[in-house]
Amino acid sequence: DIQMTQSPSSLPASLGDRVTITCRASQDIGNYLRWFQQKPGKSPRLMIYGATNLAAGVPSRFSGSRSGSDYSLTISSLESEDMADYYCLQSKESPLTFGSGTKLEIK
Amino acid sequence: QIQLVQSGPELKKPGESLKISCKASGYTFTDYAMQWVKQAPGKGLQYMGWINTQTGKPTYADDFKERFVFSLETSASTAYLQINNLKNEDTATYFCARGIADWGQGVMVTVSS
Repeated sequence: DIQMTQSPSSLPASLGDRVTITCRASQDIGNYLRWFQQKPGKSPRLMIYGATNLAAGVPSRFSGSRSGSDYSLTISSLESEDMADYYCLQSKESPLTFGSGTKLEIK
Repeated sequence: QIQLVQSGPELKKPGESLKISCKASGYTFTDYAMQWVKQAPGKGLQYMGWINTQTGKPTYADDFKERFVFSLETSASTAYLQINNLKNEDTATYFCARGIADWGQGVMVTVSS
């Protein structure tokens, strides 16, 4: 199975900060990488698909990038509504695998 | 609009079985696979597998090959997750997801004697 190593597990940040969350794939997954946001008690929300494509309705302060086997989600200027858990997911091959998650919280 | 509406919370005893439903609307049900994801309390997302909505063929991740059954009622645009011989560690929220993009609201399952 493909392993997705996500870091950091916790990210204290201030409003207005630029923050980056990273996932590293254990095998080649091309651009089959998605990012999800999950708020407490809610379902995950698709934020980024195809490693770099913004899902419908997602604010433009979110972006996705890839460098080799490293995939990043960046929020350019943190807003209070962005405080949530974030997960990466590889959809290159079955079984799909999630990263372990990053809790983004106010410093 | 696309909606996945799941059944309500469940409280079960170890050894019992349950069946969760996921009713889809707003799109052609057989155009997209249905995925299932588990989230234990305070934990991350765990992929359970998927079912081909055209053929009904299920595919299970390794941890879910025993006791877990995905099924369909295509005429009702509904997917089901059945869990047999429930164990305490099955306590979790279970999500269905269309093409791992659009998600149901989740079903909280509690297994306790």
